[in-house]
Amino acid sequence: GAGVSQSPRYKVAKRGQDVALRCDPISGHVSLFWYQQALGQGPEFLTYFQNEAQLDKSGLPSDRFFAERPEGSVSTLKIQRTQQEDSAVYLCASSFGGYRDRVTYNEQFFGPGTRLTVL
Amino acid sequence: AQTVTQSQPEMSVQEAETVTLSCTYDTSESDYYLFWYKQPPSRQMILVIRQEAYKQQNATENRFSVNFQKAAKSFSLKISDSQLGDAAMYFCAYRSATYSGGGADGLTFGKGTHLIIQP
Repeated sequence: GAGVSQSPRYKVAKRGQDVALRCDPISGHVSLFWYQQALGQGPEFLTYFQNEAQLDKSGLPSDRFFAERPEGSVSTLKIQRTQQEDSAVYLCASSFGGYRDRVTYNEQFFGPGTRLTVL
Repeated sequence: AQTVTQSQPEMSVQEAETVTLSCTYDTSESDYYLFWYKQPPSRQMILVIRQEAYKQQNATENRFSVNFQKAAKSFSLKISDSQLGDAAMYFCAYRSATYSGGGADGLTFGKGTHLIIQP
């Protein structure tokens, strides 16, 4: 596709359920990011992949959050035993270059997000 | 850690007028990027304009321009000839130009300013 896509767009989960959120980055993009955007807030960084390697997961709020990108393209963010405080929009972004290359800025292209509501 | 502050939760402007959105940031780094992103109700983040900290010249993109004051750590966005399609949340964001540790791969966002365009 032409842009970053995410599925599902909306997800309602009961507290304690596991959820999986999918991100399809732009084809050929090396870098992939996940952000969490709570209501009325700016996005907050969760984790970063360069190809299949998860180089940074410092923003993941707890060990219930797990992300993977096994083949260096599609990524899945999994949240186990969801809690009400996990309710947010989860944004995925991709960029062409390796993000730690200090040559030129590689623009992040964002997907439309998945709105997760935990009841 | 870097922080980004947007002190205007909401701004309103008449169509065709000019509006300025404020952003301040805190960092100990000398080399970094600053961005303004637009997030319409569809939630897809769109890059409006970016500024490299080492450049003294303020960036411009058509009707959008910035006032970058490095010493004051200020980065405001000016929108000229406001149009109805400019209505959205606007986020100021920061990113280090060189990798500096956990979390530095991602963008650091402010809380956003909701821009209303009055017809």
